[in-house]
Amino acid sequence: AQSVTQLDSQVPVFEEAPVELRCNYSSSVSVYLFWYVQYPNQGLQLLLKYLSGSTLVESINGFEAEFNKSQTSFHLRKPSVHISDTAEYFCAVSDIGNTGKLIFGQGTTLQVKP
Amino acid sequence: EPEVTQTPSHQVTQMGQEVILRCVPISNHLYFYWYRQILGQKVEFLVSFYNNEISEKSEIFDDQFSVERPDGSNFTLKIRSTKLEDSAMYFCASEGREGPYNEQFFGPGTRLTVL
Repeated sequence: AQSVTQLDSQVPVFEEAPVELRCNYSSSVSVYLFWYVQYPNQGLQLLLKYLSGSTLVESINGFEAEFNKSQTSFHLRKPSVHISDTAEYFCAVSDIGNTGKLIFGQGTTLQVKP
Repeated sequence: EPEVTQTPSHQVTQMGQEVILRCVPISNHLYFYWYRQILGQKVEFLVSFYNNEISEKSEIFDDQFSVERPDGSNFTLKIRSTKLEDSAMYFCASEGREGPYNEQFFGPGTRLTVL
């Protein structure tokens, strides 16, 4: 069975500061890794994913995440955040080759302050 | 851009009543999911559905729950006799699965409140 731990429930940060949202996972099989974002009153949106290949993956809005197999981590980073990045961020895993179900972490609320 | 829709956005019901949560997946998608999030807790997988049958279900998805794709467009989650602990946000997702992986698209959720 898989599990995902997001170590921080809330991360307050000032605008234009860097941020890192931490995610660790546990699995006995190979997994795909994801970060989803949820803006207020909206559904979950895929931010970025790691399937294979380069361990550093990037989103179109400046976020990046690095898959570290030895540390079983997939931390999300952004060098300079904007007010509009304020949202709930969820890390998730999925077994390679299974039905596609996602196992989520608890979520981290990113609060960007002016 | 195609999107997953869910109705109602908020459902209030009395304990013991039946509720049906509705989802309209993206039209050419083949795989469908329900997840739920109890306030302050993780988003949890409930069930996956493909080719008109359940592919996988979690321990949460007991005999009180059922899913259906009654007309080729809607995808519904029924809770036969609601309990207080069923109060949660319920998310529907759909996926095209043209290869080993494809993105799951989520709806905005239905907030279920059981009194």
